[in-house]
Amino acid sequence: EAGVAQSPRYKIIEKRQSVAFWCNPISGHATLYWYQQILGQGPKLLIQFQNNGVVDDSQLPKDRFSAERLKGVDSTLKIQPAKLEDSAVYLCASTLRDSLSQAFFGQGTRLTVV
Amino acid sequence: SQKIEQNSEALNIQEGKTATLTCNYTNYSPAYLQWYRQDPGRGPVFLLLIRENEKEKRKERLKVTFDTTLKQSLFHITASQPADSATYLCALDKGGGADGLTFGKGTHLIIQP
Repeated sequence: EAGVAQSPRYKIIEKRQSVAFWCNPISGHATLYWYQQILGQGPKLLIQFQNNGVVDDSQLPKDRFSAERLKGVDSTLKIQPAKLEDSAVYLCASTLRDSLSQAFFGQGTRLTVV
Repeated sequence: SQKIEQNSEALNIQEGKTATLTCNYTNYSPAYLQWYRQDPGRGPVFLLLIRENEKEKRKERLKVTFDTTLKQSLFHITASQPADSATYLCALDKGGGADGLTFGKGTHLIIQP
């Protein structure tokens, strides 16, 4: 079974620039999550989709972050404009139904804002 | 405020011994708790899930306990091996109808040969 695919693996941008990350979850997984993991911390949930609807975006900084999941499959996370404190690894995860199901994580995108 | 604490940022254990990692939480009433392993440059990998009405769960050399009175979970690796060296994360459901996970900072486990 193919895992969760994310791209790019690494990205370096200057502050105030914009950036987008892409995630392709495991086929058939209804729920998709984006997490932010700052160095030395555990992952922090940014947004949760159930199919193509948003279930929880309470921790998403909506003034600069946006995410969508078109057709309930792939998802993109965008940051515009980026700040230095956005430097982190952005992880995408998917579960078959909800988080009582095993969550599968992608390798993440390491973002460095300079 | 809600808080998840994992014991010590790093834990050194001699090969063959049992490694015990602790996860304490406050101001949560989780329905379940999960443990993940994370290697450098990789995403977390699911290990075990234990529900609030379960006291203990086992999988091969892994054992997890969940004490909702103490608000604590213990994660044990028996007969530890250098290949078990990694960061171990505990995670709780957010509750309140949203089921995304809230993670602790993790414990970096080093198994020395």
